Amino acid sequence: QSVLTQPPSASGTPGQTVTISCSGSNSNIGSNTVNWYQQLPGTAPKLLIHTNHQRPSGVPDRFSGSKSGTSASLAISGLQSDDEADYYCAAWDDSLNGRDVFGTGTKVIVL
Amino acid sequence: EVQLVESGGALVQPGRSLRLSCAASGFTFDEYAMHWVRQAPGKGLEWVSGINWNSNNRGYADSVKGRFTISRDNTKKSLYLQLNSLRADDTALYYCAKDQGDYFGSGSYYDSWGQGTLVTVSS
Repeated sequence: QSVLTQPPSASGTPGQTVTISCSGSNSNIGSNTVNWYQQLPGTAPKLLIHTNHQRPSGVPDRFSGSKSGTSASLAISGLQSDDEADYYCAAWDDSLNGRDVFGTGTKVIVL
Repeated sequence: EVQLVESGGALVQPGRSLRLSCAASGFTFDEYAMHWVRQAPGKGLEWVSGINWNSNNRGYADSVKGRFTISRDNTKKSLYLQLNSLRADDTALYYCAKDQGDYFGSGSYYDSWGQGTLVTVSS
C-alpha cells in the first residue's frame, strides 16, 4: 500500500553514521517536499525533518535530510543508543485526488 | 504546549460504526488543518484523512473513501472521524495530527501528534 519505499532496517554502532533511503516517483517526491518522522518504541511519531532538510527546533543537528529527483534520504550521524526507533519518510502525492503517503518505514538498530 | 487527546476507540463488530474524537489545546485550533493517521498493529503509518481549517476541503485515503467522514468543530476545538462499515483491516491505532498550515496538501507536515486511540474490528 505504501508508495514510498524504504529499507526495512539499518544498523550501526554508536558514533557511526546511518543513512536511510526513501524512493518514490514523479507524483510524490518528484513534485513535493519530503518529511521524516521518528517513532520511538511504544510512542507516537514525532516530526524529525520537514521540507526536505529543515529541522524543527529541538531536533539535534545530527539528523539531516536531503532530496534529489524522486528519492530522499535521512542521515543520522554520531549514532546514539536512543536513536533506536522506526523512521518514516512522507510526501504529498498528486495522483488521484491527492493524498499524503508514508514510506514503508525503517527500523534503526544501534549495535 | 500543544496537546491532542484522542478518544472513542473500542472493540466493534465488522459492519458497525464508531466515532473518534480529538480534543485540541495549546494552539489556535481554527488556524490549522488537521489529520487522522492510523497504524495497524506492527505495521507502518497510513494517512487516513485531512481537513482544512474551515472545513471547505476534505481528503481521504482510497482505503476509507465512502466509509469514513472527517469533520471538525472549531468552537469546541475538536476534530472527529466517523467510521462506518468497519472492516477487520481498519483495526489500528488512530492518531490525530496537527498540520503546520491552514490548508492540507503539498507542503503539509504534522508537527504535533496525539497518543492515539485503538480501534479493533472483530466478531
